[in-house]
Order: sequence, then C-alpha cells, then structure tokens
Amino acid sequence: DTEVTQTPKHLVMGMTNKKSLKCEQHMGHRAMYWYKQKAKKPPELMFVYSYEKLSINESVPSRFSPECPNSSLLNLHLHALQPEDSALYLCASSQPDGTVDDGYTFGSGTRLTVV
Amino acid sequence: SQQGEEDPQALSIQEGENATMNCSYKTSINNLQWYRQNSGRGLVHLILIRSNEREKHSGRLRVTLDTSKKSSSLLITASRAADTASYFCATDEYSGNTPLVFGKGTRLSVIA
Repeated sequence: DTEVTQTPKHLVMGMTNKKSLKCEQHMGHRAMYWYKQKAKKPPELMFVYSYEKLSINESVPSRFSPECPNSSLLNLHLHALQPEDSALYLCASSQPDGTVDDGYTFGSGTRLTVV
Repeated sequence: SQQGEEDPQALSIQEGENATMNCSYKTSINNLQWYRQNSGRGLVHLILIRSNEREKHSGRLRVTLDTSKKSSSLLITASRAADTASYFCATDEYSGNTPLVFGKGTRLSVIA
C-alpha cells in the first residue's frame, strides 16, 4: 500500500460544529504532517508528528487540535472554526529523516468549507 | 515561512515543447524536491535532488541544483496536455530534521 487516505473528501461545517478529519497510511512512515492550502497558494505547514509525538506546531490556533492515535493514523479535530479556515487540508507522511528519495506521500486532501 | 520562490508564476506552452521552471531559496538545505499538483488534489512527489548533487533525471524530467546561487530548475521535455498542473519546489533546512517548506508554485498549462 503506497497511499495516504484522507476522509472525508469534502466537508461543510457551521462555525459551532465539531468535526474531525482523518488520515491513514500503511507504508510504515513514522512522520506525519498536516498542511493547509488556500486557493492558488502553496501548502502551509500546520503540524508534524514524529514517532507518534507532536514535534512541530506552527502556531496554529487552538480550534485545530491534532491527534496521532497510532503510527498509521492522524486526526485533525475541528471546533468553532471561522469562514477564513475554509481551505484544502492535506495530510502527508514520510520517513522521519527525509533521506529517502521518495519524499512525502500526500493524500488527496479534505476540501473544508466553513459556513 | 516560505523558503522557495518559483518563477514564472504561470507558463503556457504548446504540446511537445519543453517547459522550464525555476526555484530560488534562502537557507542552506539538505535536499530540494519538486511536486506536482493537479487542480484541487493532493501533491505528487516528482523528484528529489540532494545538496551534493548538481543534476538528476527521471524520465522526461531534468532537475538541476546550484547551491552557490541557491536555485534549482525543473525541465519537462516533450510536454503533454496531461502535464498541465501546478508545480512546487520544496526544501528542508540544513539545520536539522525540518519539514518541507513549499514555494509559491508555477502553474503550467500545456495546450494540445
């Protein structure tokens, strides 16, 4: 299995809702990432997990809460989001030291719309 | 913070022509990678070039790296309509095991 699977593909939520984005990989990668991408912009790093521990939080607002239950799963819990949080949320995985030639493997993303 | 800056921002060519995209970055790096993104989808890893390498080939792709100028180029030869996508360079800083930071990207349109 050489894929990163993200669910759901599309999500519309109200500003008072609580929802979760899910990401799964079975490539044995021990680093997992959340990126946020606005239209016509590059992906921006949000969080990094290395060996199931949060290693980087890029000053992301607390309404985004990441969780890594095990080495294959990564969740992003959403609560009280704002319309400006509408974006494509991308999950990626890699070997932790980044020395292998295959780089990061990205999922297809979750298109989030906050209304 | 953005590390890589690509140019041009947009490029339109005819099928069969070559496409060249450039990337500049600011700090010392371990490696530089290129990714492709079809509209609204995930990114696909194309090629990785290490800081001690100067050129690398993969199929119709040729990547060069000039660490003295902190720049890289991606050449796609004999382009096809299916190459239409956004292309991003990404770097990780030499200072440690840092995650990838992406440049602004080049939107390539290949016209059949």
